[in-house]
Amino acid sequence: DVKVTQSSRYLVKRTGEKVFLECVQDMDHENMFWYRQDPGLGLRLIYFSYDVKMKEKGDIPEGYSVSREKKERFSLILESASTNQTSMYLCASSWQGNTIYFGEGSWLTVV
Amino acid sequence: GIQVEQSPPDLILQEGANSTLRCNFSDSVNNLQWFHQNPWGQLINLFYIPSGTKQNGRLSATTVATERYSLLYISSSQTTDSGVYFCAVPAKGNTPLVFGKGTRLSVIA
Repeated sequence: DVKVTQSSRYLVKRTGEKVFLECVQDMDHENMFWYRQDPGLGLRLIYFSYDVKMKEKGDIPEGYSVSREKKERFSLILESASTNQTSMYLCASSWQGNTIYFGEGSWLTVV
Repeated sequence: GIQVEQSPPDLILQEGANSTLRCNFSDSVNNLQWFHQNPWGQLINLFYIPSGTKQNGRLSATTVATERYSLLYISSSQTTDSGVYFCAVPAKGNTPLVFGKGTRLSVIA
């Protein structure tokens, strides 16, 4: 079975902190994605990557950056966390144009 | 960009009842996926169904690409079917998926 693992399930961070959310997949997928999910707004795409060291902005990239140094790992970085970034963050991976698999999600609270 | 609309937004069923969830999309697509999000937040892929019909146990899905809609059927519903059901399509070609707002299903014993 495909496994997408997110490093932290629940986090509480202070405003202004730098936050790293890590995601690892074990199926040699080319594509990796970061979404955030908020009540009433559904899932929104933050960043995605189709290859190592490659990244593309999604619909809401402001306040975020990403890193993909290895094929299996895609990290989401909040340079200076703010309260409006309190959300659930979902990592996903897929082969090009195929079934997408999600991690369990990371619930981030910024206080 | 492409629009994805799901209906109904909320649905309450008695255990054992059947239901149909609908997903409309505004442009032609080569990829459509259905997901179930359980109460703990985990999103599970149910179907990859750009066209035609597929079945998996009590669940089945049909996509009519030419008319730009897809249906998810749940038969003999169980309490474990509760959660939110999403459909998703690529914005264009093989670009990342755009998700509908979901249908929240509650199955009551």
